[in-house]
Amino acid sequence: QKEVEQDPGPLSVPEGAIVSLNCTYSNSAFQYFMWYRQYSRKGPELLMYTYSSGNKEDGRFTAQVDKSSKYISLFIRDSQPSDSATYLCAMISSNDYKLSFGAGTTVTVRA
Amino acid sequence: DTAVSQTPKYLVTQMGNDKSIKCEQNLGHDTMYWYKQDSKKFLKIMFSYNNKELIINETVPNRFSPKSPDKAHLNLHINSLELGDSAVYFCASSQTWDEQFFGPGTRLTVL
Repeated sequence: QKEVEQDPGPLSVPEGAIVSLNCTYSNSAFQYFMWYRQYSRKGPELLMYTYSSGNKEDGRFTAQVDKSSKYISLFIRDSQPSDSATYLCAMISSNDYKLSFGAGTTVTVRA
Repeated sequence: DTAVSQTPKYLVTQMGNDKSIKCEQNLGHDTMYWYKQDSKKFLKIMFSYNNKELIINETVPNRFSPKSPDKAHLNLHINSLELGDSAVYFCASSQTWDEQFFGPGTRLTVL
């Protein structure tokens, strides 16, 4: 079993819809949680980063962490075609500071 | 003004050959990484160097050898290429343990 589980999708939504993405993890040492966005044939880029349970907002993006359930989510409000990408959750362990990625969820926002 | 660059972008080669991928970062970061992304988009760390010293060496065949001539460069040499080595290889760099900056990737195809 992988340390970080993420449904690869694909997920297709109409423009303006809310996109909901999530990951679960098994390693209690994961303390820092990130979401990376990867456009086709490009490298991943950091979208959001949080280290505490609760919500963090940045524009149309909200990251949510529930450490008790070992569950993190990313919500994209008012989705745009330019949001079409693969979204990867990533976590850092406080033991070794290595970044562990989920499999990535491919999202397509239809105009 | 490219932050993390990799060469070549595409590499097509025969089984058994030896090849190298080069990475350079102009961000002044101390730490550099190599990741492998397989056909299912799963991104896994291979190596990490901090100030030219190897700090992470995941379970990777010893046909893969990283080399860091200085802290701005991290190259990856692969001996005796196998079909299973076909993947996209990403270089990344970071100054702190949280945000990593990824290069555009090198798409390796072994025939």
